[in-house]
Amino acid sequence: QVQLQQSGPRLVKPSQTLSLTCAISGDTVSSNIAAWHWIRQSPSRGLECLGRTYYRSKWYSDYAASVKSRITINADTSKNQFSLQLNAVTPEDTAVYYCARLYCDRISCYAFDIWGRGTFVAVSS
Amino acid sequence: EIVLTQSPATLSLSPGERATLSCRASQSVNGYLAWYQQKPGQAPRLLMYDASNRAPGIPARFSGSGSGTDFTLTISSLEPEDFAVYYCQQRSNWFTFGQGTKLEIK
Repeated sequence: QVQLQQSGPRLVKPSQTLSLTCAISGDTVSSNIAAWHWIRQSPSRGLECLGRTYYRSKWYSDYAASVKSRITINADTSKNQFSLQLNAVTPEDTAVYYCARLYCDRISCYAFDIWGRGTFVAVSS
Repeated sequence: EIVLTQSPATLSLSPGERATLSCRASQSVNGYLAWYQQKPGQAPRLLMYDASNRAPGIPARFSGSGSGTDFTLTISSLEPEDFAVYYCQQRSNWFTFGQGTKLEIK
């Protein structure tokens, strides 16, 4: 049974960096048939996919255009986890942040089948 | 960016009735459309992928259809646990979600 356990601060000051970690159990972050995403949800922006990391003989990371200049998603194979860093946050970055697995096979990737429980992060001074 | 528009915003029905939820894309998503159910305080739960494929463990009363830009999620006979918010999501061009349809008890 695959599970994702999120951790990280729930309050971040404006202009600082939001950092979250997602620990994976029951699967491996370097799996060739998965991608590991960060998705956030807020009343104003709805559900928004921020970016992902995945391994296909080497590591890749892709980011949404809306946050591309401020985001880094990395994998840590020694701890079987992946992380989100979002720089220069503003109150508009206040949201529930989810990590999620994009299920893939050798042909394609399909949908987000496993989700973390979500972390509400408030950006406020 | 592909915009997904869901309708109606709110659907009021009774247990046992049939629910039909719609999702329209601003351009073709090539059938690469998924549906999720979300209950308060929980993460979304995958129901359908690639328009008409049920995810493992999803009851047969849930079905999906559509192609191109127009998609439908149908719940054949509502159970009490089906009242929730439903989202569509496309993977044709990055990943975007609709704004949701709230299915509430009439």
